[in-house]
Amino acid sequence: DGGITQSPKYLFRKEGQNVTLSCEQNLNHDAMYWYRQDPGQGLRLIYYSQIVNDFQKGDIAEGYSVSREKKESFPLTVTSAQKNPTAFYLCASSIPGLYEAFFGQGTRLTVV
Amino acid sequence: DAKTTQPTSMDCAEGRAANLPCNHSTISGNEYVYWYRQIHSQGPQYIIHGLKNNETNEMASLIITEDRKSSTLILPHATLRDTAVYYCIVRVLNAGGTSYGKLTFGQGTILTVHP
Repeated sequence: DGGITQSPKYLFRKEGQNVTLSCEQNLNHDAMYWYRQDPGQGLRLIYYSQIVNDFQKGDIAEGYSVSREKKESFPLTVTSAQKNPTAFYLCASSIPGLYEAFFGQGTRLTVV
Repeated sequence: DAKTTQPTSMDCAEGRAANLPCNHSTISGNEYVYWYRQIHSQGPQYIIHGLKNNETNEMASLIITEDRKSSTLILPHATLRDTAVYYCIVRVLNAGGTSYGKLTFGQGTILTVHP
């Protein structure tokens, strides 16, 4: 089935370690997005990519990095520079035009 | 993209219509109104979108005022499964017919449907 897959669903890391969250889609979508969600809050845009080998910072990019080497993959690295990395991370993809974005089920990252 | 304003929370009785308002007074002519909802701990789900005409699909209806400064999402017969956070978003459609760029969410409205 077509869709967008995030893995793992739950992730635990020690403070100071970098961690990479996976996002894969087989929908042939050009655009992909990463969001962060804190308890009781809305979604905040971290990075987005409109096409392979290109990406732009969102509203809260500090402490995060991404790559877009393949159309179907948009991994997010949470670096040790991110001061408060514990959060729920959501990946999404879409195609140009009046089409909706499809979201993955999210990765809940806990840094201890 | 234009900023949206939504009430923080709303209640609705099961079986009744849920009417969720959204204010987007700074919307421009090439911006569309989108609605998504997020059930607890899941990814958001697309509901509906529109430009200036009212729209209806199997999930909901979207009513956009004539001046386009506000809209209302209507769930005609709310069920307990409709309890979720509902996000109203405005998104620009570029001249070339594409819609790249940011997809920005606000705080949304927490809709609670009770028996």
